[in-house]
This record gives sequence, structure tokens and C-alpha cells, in this order.
Amino acid sequence: DAKTTQPNSMESNEEEPVHLPCNHSTISGTDYIHWYRQLPSQGPEYVIHGLTSNVNNRMASLAIAEDRKSSTLILHRATLRDAAVYYCILGRAGGTSYGKLTFGQGTILTVHP
Amino acid sequence: DVKVTQSSRYLVKRTGEKVFLECVQDMDHENMFWYRQDPGLGLRLIYFSYDVKMKEKGDIPEGYSVSREKKERFSLILESASTNQTSMYLCASGGGRVRYTDTQYFGPGTRLTVL
Repeated sequence: DAKTTQPNSMESNEEEPVHLPCNHSTISGTDYIHWYRQLPSQGPEYVIHGLTSNVNNRMASLAIAEDRKSSTLILHRATLRDAAVYYCILGRAGGTSYGKLTFGQGTILTVHP
Repeated sequence: DVKVTQSSRYLVKRTGEKVFLECVQDMDHENMFWYRQDPGLGLRLIYFSYDVKMKEKGDIPEGYSVSREKKERFSLILESASTNQTSMYLCASGGGRVRYTDTQYFGPGTRLTVL
């Protein structure tokens, strides 16, 4: 399975944009890029996903490199509630994948007031 | 609102006991998943199910079994609990058999301690 590489931790100040990088140099053509986050003492929650084009939703934006070997999750204005572990995950499409996801270590995001 | 519920938030059991962890989803999803989460190891997939009575092993199935008798309910069973099964257990559900882009929705987790 293709793997992702993320920084162990990042810090940000409240109300500033945050760019969380993810490298996935062995991504295949049918892999979707998913981002989840896990707030303290909670289960992970979906943030955003994409295949080739940049994506926006109410929570965040996902910028995907043209060669798809890397992507960046963008939180436009960080709040204290965005402090969490952020996971970048590749989801294999088709076959018997059944939507399985393989979580890595993620990036611990600290937001300072 | 989407909901995945787990039977307990905290559970304490003794070595050798049989343990049942229950998970219920109300979204009519075909796929359901059981993970465990340990410090430094992240989330690891134990078992998943893509249909009633169907199950597949994940990455770490040893010491666990599962049951899916109804679409909305997926149970994780520890036949004989051991101390190395002390962990946070997370259930998730998501989409249909071929909808690989579907979001997975997670429950709040059960923190199991085996003494």
C-alpha cells in the first residue's frame, strides 16, 4: 500500500492560516487523498478528500500537487478548536478495498491563543 | 445527524474474561470497521465487514473475532482478554461496497483496560 509522510508536529497562532503538508510519492492513479482529524478524547472525523483537483469545503481546502506526489491541507483561519492530530491517508479505489483506510502517525497541530 | 455509538466509553475486565464491544450505526452503511489505537502505533485495523454476516481480517486480527448479524450492528469479541489488549477501541462505518471514497464515521471509542 502507498504510504504517506507527515511532519510529527506543527504549531500555529489563532486566526492565522495553517498549511499541513503530506508527501505520498508512491501514490497510484486510483488512490484518493483523504484527510481526517482527531480531537482530544474523540474518534477521528472526516475533513476533506480529493483525487486530482483542489477541493474546498466548509472546514478546509485541499491543494493537490500536479504530479499528485504531495498535498497540503489548508485551514484558512485556525481556531483553538482546530488543535488536533491530522491524518493524511490514501484510500485505494475499487476492487475489494471496501473503503479501508490505513492511518499513519499524523501531525499534531498546536494552536496558540 | 450521523451517528455511530459504542456500548461503553470505559471498560475494565480481568485477564481471561470474554469481552464484547458493541457498535451501532444509524446511517444504513454497508461497511463497518473496528480499530484499536495505541500511543506511538496510531490506529490499526482489526476487522471489517462489508455486509451482514461477512467479515474480513484487518492488519491485526489475532486474539479478536467479530460478529455482524444485523446491518446496523458490528460487535468485536475478545475471546479471552489479555493485558496486551488494553487499548482504545474505535468503531467506524462508511458507505457501500464499491463507494471507496465514502467518508468513515467514527464512534467515540471504548477505553478497555484488562487487569
